[in-house]
Formats: sequence, C-alpha cells, structure tokens
Amino acid sequence: AQSVTQPDIHITVSEGASLELRCNYSYGATPYLFWYVQSPGQGLQLLLKYFSGDTLVQGIKGFEAEFKRSQSSFNLRKPSVHWSDAAEYFCAVGSGGGGSQGNLIFGKGTKLSVKP
Amino acid sequence: KAGVTQTPRYLIKTRGQQVTLSCSPISGHRSVSWYQQTPGQGLQFLFEYFSETQRNKGNFPGRFSGRQFSNSRSEMNVSTLELGDSALYLCASSSDGTYGYTFGSGTRLTVV
Repeated sequence: AQSVTQPDIHITVSEGASLELRCNYSYGATPYLFWYVQSPGQGLQLLLKYFSGDTLVQGIKGFEAEFKRSQSSFNLRKPSVHWSDAAEYFCAVGSGGGGSQGNLIFGKGTKLSVKP
Repeated sequence: KAGVTQTPRYLIKTRGQQVTLSCSPISGHRSVSWYQQTPGQGLQFLFEYFSETQRNKGNFPGRFSGRQFSNSRSEMNVSTLELGDSALYLCASSSDGTYGYTFGSGTRLTVV
C-alpha cells in the first residue's frame, strides 16, 4: 500500500539557518509528489510538486525539493529560513485509479519552529 | 481569481445530528476532493468528484457522503454525527485532478 513517512515530528531551526525536511514514500509506480505548508487555522498551500523530468524542483517562497528514486525520498530544503516559515509541512504522494490524482496520501507532517 | 471557498468556517453540532458542508471551487476547476484532518489520524482522503461523478472514495463509513453540482460546487454530508467526527474538513479543487490541488481554508466541525 502507498504510504508517506515524515520522520521528524517537530524541528526547530534558527532564523537564517538552512532547513531540510525529510520525506520517504512507498509507491509502486512513478509517484506524483507534493509538499504543502499549513499555517495554524488555515488550509494547505502548495509549495512545489514533482511529476517527471528534472529531479530538483523549485517551488514558491525559496523552497526546493529533490526526488531520489533510489532512496524513495523527496526532501524539502531551504537555504535560509525566515521567521514566517514557521508552520507545519506536509509531504504527499498522488495515488488514484483511472489517472486521477485526486487521492493524495499525506505524511503526518513536520512542525517547523524558527528561533530568532 | 477567487480561491476555494468553504462554508461555514466553524460549526458546532450535537451527536446524532447531521451536517452539510459546502465547497465552491476555483472557477473552471472541475475536480473537487475532500479531506478530513484530525490530530490523531492526520489528513485522510474522503472522496473526489469530477464533473458530478465520484471518481475515488476513501475508507470512511457510509455516513460520509458527497455530491457535486453542475457548476462544480460540492457538498459533503455527515449523518448521525459522532464525537470522533470532530475535525477540520478541507476541500481542494483542480482543473482536471492531475496537477496538484488548491485547498480551501477548511470547515472546523466540533461535535459535542
């Protein structure tokens, strides 16, 4: 069965430091991979997505992610974290029959805190 | 361009009642998906509709149902509410369901 694992429940980094959030997936076919961010009381905002092609994907807000098929990973990175990046981050894999990607399987999320 | 609109934002219901949540997708989007988010189970897929047809369904009891109208607006209904149904219900829309979804801010349902 398809699954997504985010090993880190909570990460704290200092403002200006680099960030890497880990995501491992289990999926039989070529996965569609996503990173979303959620601020408290809000919905999910798409940061970036990978469908095919270049394995390094650029997203919004200075985030990037690298797809590594051999490691079944899709880690999210940012070179310099800003206080406004404090939020919860979700990795997801697209799964569905009939070509539909409507069924996203999410990881449990990683809560990011930023120290001044 | 207006985003995905969910109404109401907050809702308090009593056990045993039923509830209907509404979602208006981005204009032109034909696919609408629903998710339940709880602290314990995280984000779980409920169902997806495309052009008024249910294309996918998650592993939820039959008390959870949905529909989509010809204008792509969608509703989900939960009957015989249980305390465990308390959650943030998120709706997401996509033009065709294959290139990532835009989520609404959700409806926070509290069952007492």
